[in-house]
Amino acid sequence: AQSVTQLDSHVSVSEGTPVLLRCNYSSSYSPSLFWYVQHPNKGLQLLLKYTSAATLVKGINGFEAEFKKSETSFHLTKPSAHMSDAAEYFCVVSDQAGNNRKLIWGLGTSLAVNP
Amino acid sequence: DTGVSQDPRHKITKRGQNVTFRCDPISEHNRLYWYRQTLGQGPEFLTYFQNEAQLEKSRLLSDRFSAERPKGSFSTLEIQRTEQGDSAMYLCASSLARAAGVSEQYFGPGTRLTVT
Repeated sequence: AQSVTQLDSHVSVSEGTPVLLRCNYSSSYSPSLFWYVQHPNKGLQLLLKYTSAATLVKGINGFEAEFKKSETSFHLTKPSAHMSDAAEYFCVVSDQAGNNRKLIWGLGTSLAVNP
Repeated sequence: DTGVSQDPRHKITKRGQNVTFRCDPISEHNRLYWYRQTLGQGPEFLTYFQNEAQLEKSRLLSDRFSAERPKGSFSTLEIQRTEQGDSAMYLCASSLARAAGVSEQYFGPGTRLTVT
C-alpha cells in the first residue's frame, strides 16, 4: 500500500532563509508525487508534481522538489522564504501507477515565516 | 474564472438535518472527487466519479452520505441526519483522466459545514 510521511508538522524560518519541508513515501511501484499548498481560508493549490521524468521538479513561486528513489524521499525546498509562503504544505502520492485515481495525503507541514 | 467552484461556501445546520453541497468542476474534466478535511489534517478521500459513474467510495463513508453526478458535469454531496462529527471542510476536486501520464487534481475552495 502507498503511504506518505511528512517528517515535520511545523517548520519555522526567517524571511530570506532557505526552506526545507521533508517528505518520505512508500510505494510498491514508481509513484506519482505532488506537493500542494493551502493558504488560510483558501483552496488547495498544486505547487509541483513528479511524473517519472526529471528527478528535480520545479514548481510555482520558486519551489522545487527532488525525487530520490534510493531514499524514498521527495523533499520540498525554496532558496529564500517570503512572508507569503506561510501556509500548510501537503505531500501527496498517487495510489496507482500512471493515471492517478486517488491521492494519498500526508498530514501536512505548517510553515511559518518570521520577519 | 474557470476553476472548480463549490456552493455554498459555509453551511451551519442543526444536528439531524439534511444538507446538500454542490460542486462544479472544470468544464472539460471527466473526473470529480470529494474529500473531507478536518482541522490540522490532510484531506480524506470520500468518493470519486468518472463522468457520471461513481467508481469508488471510501469505506469510511457512512450510508448517511450520498453523492451524485447525474450528467457527468456538476456533482452533489448529501449528508442525511447530520451529526456533530460531520463538521468539517468538504472539498471537491476535478481532473482530466488521460490514457497515459499523470493527471493532477484541481481543488475548489471548499464548503465549511458546522453542525450545532
